[in-house]
Amino acid sequence: DTEVTQTPKHLVMGMTNKKSLKCEQHMGHRAMYWYKQKAKKPPELMFVYSYEKLSINESVPSRFSPECPNSSLLNLHLHALQPEDSALYLCASSQEWQSNEKLFFGSGTQLSVL
Amino acid sequence: ILNVEQSPQSLHVQEGDSTNFTCSFPSSNFYALHWYRWETAKSPEALFVMTLNGDEKKKGRISATLNTKEGYSYLYIKGSQPEDSATYLCAWGTGGEKLTFGTGTRLTIIP
Repeated sequence: DTEVTQTPKHLVMGMTNKKSLKCEQHMGHRAMYWYKQKAKKPPELMFVYSYEKLSINESVPSRFSPECPNSSLLNLHLHALQPEDSALYLCASSQEWQSNEKLFFGSGTQLSVL
Repeated sequence: ILNVEQSPQSLHVQEGDSTNFTCSFPSSNFYALHWYRWETAKSPEALFVMTLNGDEKKKGRISATLNTKEGYSYLYIKGSQPEDSATYLCAWGTGGEKLTFGTGTRLTIIP
């Protein structure tokens, strides 16, 4: 199984809502990532978890809260988002947290904040 | 700000023709260079990870070269097929841990 599964595929939420994005992999990868991509821009790293510990937070606003309950799961909790947070959110994993390790991506959650 | 640039932004190629595009990155602090293919409504898929100057990688009709001293990588597609239509992303790895992505080259193969 070389898949990274993300749910939901699409999400529309209001600025007062609380929602969560979920990501799952069963490849035994020890590093998991959240990326954000806006149209015609490169994917931007938000968070890195290595061995279930938060290793990088790229100055992401606190309205985004990551969680890694175990080595296979990665969540992104969303609260009080702004319309400018509308984007594609990609989850990825790799064997280890090294930039020479290839990333395995999910297909993303397309988020719209109204 | 250290940027990764890809050119061209988009490309239309006749089926059967060969094509190539470029990823430019800062030559300092190089650790790795990745290429990904991203088809619409699918997940980005890794094509190559290259780490050494002069590296050449090949996967079927697709190949890539790497020049770390001058900071560029080329991706080549020989005999383009409709299934090659996708966005091709490169990513530059520095300091062992962080990847910086380019904006991609959107390739459309015309039957």
